[in-house]
Amino acid sequence: DGGITQSPKYLFRKEGQNVTLSCEQNLNHDAMYWYRQDPGQGLRLIYYSQIVNDFQKGDIAEGYSVSREKKESFPLTVTSAQKNPTAFYLCASKQGHNSPLHFGNGTRLTVT
Amino acid sequence: DQQVKQNSPSLSVQEGRISILNCDYTNSMFDYFLWYKKYPAEGPTFLISISSIKDKNEDGRFTVFLNKSAKHLSLHIVPSQPGDSAVYFCAASAKSNYQLIWGAGTKLIIKP
Repeated sequence: DGGITQSPKYLFRKEGQNVTLSCEQNLNHDAMYWYRQDPGQGLRLIYYSQIVNDFQKGDIAEGYSVSREKKESFPLTVTSAQKNPTAFYLCASKQGHNSPLHFGNGTRLTVT
Repeated sequence: DQQVKQNSPSLSVQEGRISILNCDYTNSMFDYFLWYKKYPAEGPTFLISISSIKDKNEDGRFTVFLNKSAKHLSLHIVPSQPGDSAVYFCAASAKSNYQLIWGAGTKLIIKP
């Protein structure tokens, strides 16, 4: 079945540590996205990539980094510079401009 | 400044009745609108979309209405079923950058 896989589902880290969230898709989509969801808020865009080896900052990129070395993979690193890293992180992909995003099932990151 | 607003954080509807979820936007450049449904600890799933050249789009029990002059769209679910209990997000994009702007979501509760 085609889809987006995010791993792990739950992740716990100590403050000051970097952590990388995995996102893999087998939909052959060119564009991939990382969003963050906090309680009572809409999804906020962290980074997106329209094509391999290229990515752009979203609205809340500070404290995060990404890479896009392969079409299928778009890992997100939450660095120690991110002031409020505890959140639910969602990866998505799509093909074409006016087409819907397909989402993974998310990773809940807790930093203590 | 919230460009996409869902003013009702929650809505409770009797099973079998019509559920109406509302969304307002401020940016007149938005020309593509989507509704997503989200269960807890899962990624959003695409429900239905509408382009600004239309004022209505229907898919089974789901109908989206767009009122461009009022900058308002609504999602109608009829009849409402227990499995419809979820958080519903409205999102919009403009041709200028195709990035989705999200509302904060409305939690729909279907009562038996």
